[in-house]
Amino acid sequence: DGGITQSPKYLFRKEGQNVTLSCEQNLNHDAMYWYRQDPGQGLRLIYYSQIVNDFQKGDIAEGYSVSREKKESFPLTVTSAQKNPTAFYLCASKVRGDQETQYFGPGTRLLVL
Amino acid sequence: SQQGEEDPQALSIQEGENATMNCSYKTSINNLQWYRQNSGRGLVHLILIRSNEREKHSGRLRVTLDTSKKSSSLLITASRAADTASYFCATGGGSNYKLTFGKGTLLTVNP
Repeated sequence: DGGITQSPKYLFRKEGQNVTLSCEQNLNHDAMYWYRQDPGQGLRLIYYSQIVNDFQKGDIAEGYSVSREKKESFPLTVTSAQKNPTAFYLCASKVRGDQETQYFGPGTRLLVL
Repeated sequence: SQQGEEDPQALSIQEGENATMNCSYKTSINNLQWYRQNSGRGLVHLILIRSNEREKHSGRLRVTLDTSKKSSSLLITASRAADTASYFCATGGGSNYKLTFGKGTLLTVNP
């Protein structure tokens, strides 16, 4: 899992509630990513950020929001607009430039009450 | 959209046997990577092969890339129970640094 931490490990959301997933890295990486993984499926990109104060939508951004105020941190908010939030959420980071390898955190499992 | 598709979806072998997984993709790539995911955990990078390379080795891993067929294979030799995991191929690169993952192959190595 390298130098990327995600918290909490499990998160429960009530209907209509916004919840925020934390992702912190101490690898001095410029780029950070959020993925969603459903059972038996691959990873789908939600949002990514190549530099502080900048981020772009991925393939499934609807119902999610992010911020990138610090290089080390890339929190993901799952809003009430996301009608099917139950999934495993993975954060990753990489060095900006040609080095393509992404380093992943341990993940947060989000469950709806 | 999912660029890579792994085959088979699931593979069960005995310890000591070799395991081969395949990945097919649709568009041109800069590189192709393989990752491993143990159940309920994050992904771990295994190996990267660039579009101008045909074969690469890392320990018990051997990866091949055929850009004319848009396919790659991952071979794990002398498998161990600890190799039990899901294996994903990922394609991407370029200026937006995005990777696109397949759905993965679930490998079970029986002791």
